Amino acid sequence: KNQVEQSPQSLIILEGKNCTLQCNYTVSPFSNLRWYKQDTGRGPVSLTIMTFSENTKSNGRYTATLDADTKQSSLHITASQLSDSASYICVVTAGNTPLVFGKGTRLSVIA
Amino acid sequence: DTAVSQTPKYLVTQMGNDKSIKCEQNLGHDTMYWYKQDSKKFLKIMFSYNNKELIINETVPNRFSPKSPDKAHLNLHINSLELGDSAVYFCASSRPGLNTEAFFGQGTRLTVV
Repeated sequence: KNQVEQSPQSLIILEGKNCTLQCNYTVSPFSNLRWYKQDTGRGPVSLTIMTFSENTKSNGRYTATLDADTKQSSLHITASQLSDSASYICVVTAGNTPLVFGKGTRLSVIA
Repeated sequence: DTAVSQTPKYLVTQMGNDKSIKCEQNLGHDTMYWYKQDSKKFLKIMFSYNNKELIINETVPNRFSPKSPDKAHLNLHINSLELGDSAVYFCASSRPGLNTEAFFGQGTRLTVV
């Protein structure tokens, strides 16, 4: 069964600190993995996309990694800002099947 | 300018009523989706349409009926609303292709009382 598991469920960090969110997946055949950011009351917005051959990809202060062998991905946020407070959702595409969503990590950045 | 727009943003209604949520995208995408996000914030796909044709129906009660008059619109009709239907419903669209990105609307918060 295609599944995406994320950890931690929630995280509170001080402004300016770094953090790392984890995503493990059991999805086959793997096509790509995206990290989405969902602000409260808004729809998810894509941050990065990782394909099978990519190990690292950055988007500003966001850096995603992918280990296709262990089926793990991480999203690292550097020098966090208050506006980073949101849910971060790992989404995996498997062939032509529907997108498989993780339950998300709720990040709260406090001053 | 809005890429994927949903209306209404909020909907409060009584059990047993029939309601509709509208979705429109101006991105020229061929594929549109409806997702349900429950109280635990878990996004789950309900339907997917490609060029006005249903391609995915994920074990959704038949009280839910999507209708796509053209490929820019995918409306969601819900009959005989139940308390458990309370959730946020997101419309999304994408181009064909494996690495395509799904663009989401802002969501419709449905509350059934």
